[in-house]
Amino acid sequence: DTEVTQTPKHLVMGMTNKKSLKCEQHMGHRAMYWYKQKAKKPPELMFVYSYEKLSINESVPSRFSPECPNSSLLNLHLHALQPEDSALYLCASGHRGEAFFGQGTRLTVV
Amino acid sequence: GEDVEQSLFLSVREGDSSVINCTYTDSSSTYLYWYKQEPGAGLQLLTYIFSNMDMKQDQRLTVLLNKKDKHLSLRIADTQTGDSAIYFCAESTGNNRKLIWGLGTSLAVNP
Repeated sequence: DTEVTQTPKHLVMGMTNKKSLKCEQHMGHRAMYWYKQKAKKPPELMFVYSYEKLSINESVPSRFSPECPNSSLLNLHLHALQPEDSALYLCASGHRGEAFFGQGTRLTVV
Repeated sequence: GEDVEQSLFLSVREGDSSVINCTYTDSSSTYLYWYKQEPGAGLQLLTYIFSNMDMKQDQRLTVLLNKKDKHLSLRIADTQTGDSAIYFCAESTGNNRKLIWGLGTSLAVNP
């Protein structure tokens, strides 16, 4: 099973809303990632968790707050987003050389 | 700094072979990847190669690595319309497995 599952698949939220994106993997990977991707561009790394600890924060604004409750789950809490934050948010997990991505959450901020 | 470059577009006829090229600058790259992304979908790991390998083959896919020239290629044999997608080259170094991405090559397969 090389699946990374993300929910929801689509999300529309207002600029004053609070929402969360969820990611789950059962491959035993100890590294998990959040990426943001704009249309036809490569993904941009946001956060890396290694062994459930935040190891990289790519200077992401505080309106994005990651959380890793356990080794299988990764959340991204969203608050007071801007329209320019609309994008495809991708979760990935990795082990050694492999890095597997979920199908993403398409987020629209209105 | 680290950089990964790819040509932006490739158009082939169905049944022909496609070759997508990628160059990278970081000589300490550990792994080199090819990802496929269809419209509206996530990133699918097609294949990856460890930096001490020259070639890897998996069914219709052949990856060639020229470490001296820092050049990576992906060959797709018997290209089908379902292969139409954006193909991203990426490399990683270090324990944090941070991926450095190319801009992606948009492959169009014409019937």
